[in-house]
Formats: sequence, structure tokens, C-alpha cells
Amino acid sequence: QVQLQESGPGLVKPSETLSLTCTVSGASITSHYWSWIRQPPGKGLEWIGYFYYSGSTDYHPSLKSRVTISVDTSKNQFSLKLSSVTAADTAVYYCAGGVKTYLVFDYWGQGILGTVST
Amino acid sequence: QSALTQPRSVSGSPGQSVTISCTGTSSDVGAYNYVSWYQRHPGKAPKVMIYEVTKRPSGVPDRFSGSKSGNTASLTISGLQAEDEADYYCCSYAGSYSHVAFGGGTKLTVL
Repeated sequence: QVQLQESGPGLVKPSETLSLTCTVSGASITSHYWSWIRQPPGKGLEWIGYFYYSGSTDYHPSLKSRVTISVDTSKNQFSLKLSSVTAADTAVYYCAGGVKTYLVFDYWGQGILGTVST
Repeated sequence: QSALTQPRSVSGSPGQSVTISCTGTSSDVGAYNYVSWYQRHPGKAPKVMIYEVTKRPSGVPDRFSGSKSGNTASLTISGLQAEDEADYYCCSYAGSYSHVAFGGGTKLTVL
């Protein structure tokens, strides 16, 4: 059974970098497509980007200049870094995995609230 | 404002059928057969119910079905059960620039 668990600081100050980690169990980080998705309060889901172990990666164009998704194979984890955050980046952040493609999210974490505030 | 448009809420009685629509454009829903649907119960991780417009993952009841016509995709739940009460989100491939678009979500209430 594949399980994903998000972790990281729940509170970040404006202009700083939001850093979150997703720990994967039940599957190897070197297989599957790994994504980050977020949901701002009162709004719908928003895809942030994905990473595949082969090195393939891409991000939502509106976030591309501020986002990095990377993988730590030794810990079976993947991470999200979002720089220069503002209040608009306050959201529940989900990590998700796709078996065959980054376009279908077969596995999800429960989500972690990331708040941007002074 | 989400890229794909869903009704904010739908409702139905146990045993009835409900359909949730997801309207996009000719650049996303209308252009590709990569529409998926996700169910999310409060406090739980989302779960994929339908992928590639009509395909059902193993373990998803056949009461759930998907379809598409033009720029609108639909999720139909027949034989409504109390446990179907949840939020539902549609998702579509939106081309090599935007990649993935989601809907704003629909709250299904089982009366």
C-alpha cells in the first residue's frame, strides 16, 4: 500500500521560502511521477509541478520562476521549495504520485497547511 | 478562479443518480482524453475515481462513471449511497504549457 506524508514548517514569513517534504512508503521514489498540488482557502486545486526520476520535470507557468521540486532517493522523499512567498501562497499543499503519468494522481498525501504571515 | 468550471454543489437522495459537470475549453477538456475525477472526504486524502475520461481504477464501484462531450466532462454516480457524500474535483491535461488544470470542486450532499 502506497502512502504519502507531507511535512514541513506550517508558517513562513513573506518573501521567504516555503519548504515542504513528502515521504513515500510502499513505492520507490525512482518510479512513478511525483507532483505537488495546492488548494488556497476557499478555492479549487492548483497543480504546482511534477518530477520524474529520469530528470523530467515541469512546473505551472505562473509559478515556474519560484518553484523547485527535487528528489532524495536515500530517504525516499521528494521536496517542494517555493521562494519569495506572499499571502497568496497560503494553501493546503498536497503531494501526489502517478504510476504511469503525471496527469493522473493515483496516490495522495493528506495535505499540510502552509501559511504565509508575519 | 479555477481553470475548469464545476457546479458548487449538487445533491441527491439515496438510490438516485447525480451528474457533476466539468466545463473547460477546446484547449483542455475538449482537446485531450486526459480527464480525471477525484473524491475527497473531509480530512482525508483525495482518491482517484475516474481517469482518462471513462476508466475506473481497481476498487472503485461501477456506480461511478465518466463521459465527455465537447468541452464538458461529466461524472455520474448512480445508486447514491451515504458514503458518496464528499467533494469532487475534475482535472484535465491542458497542453504542454499549462499542463494540468483542475476544477473548483463540487460538494455532493446525499439527502
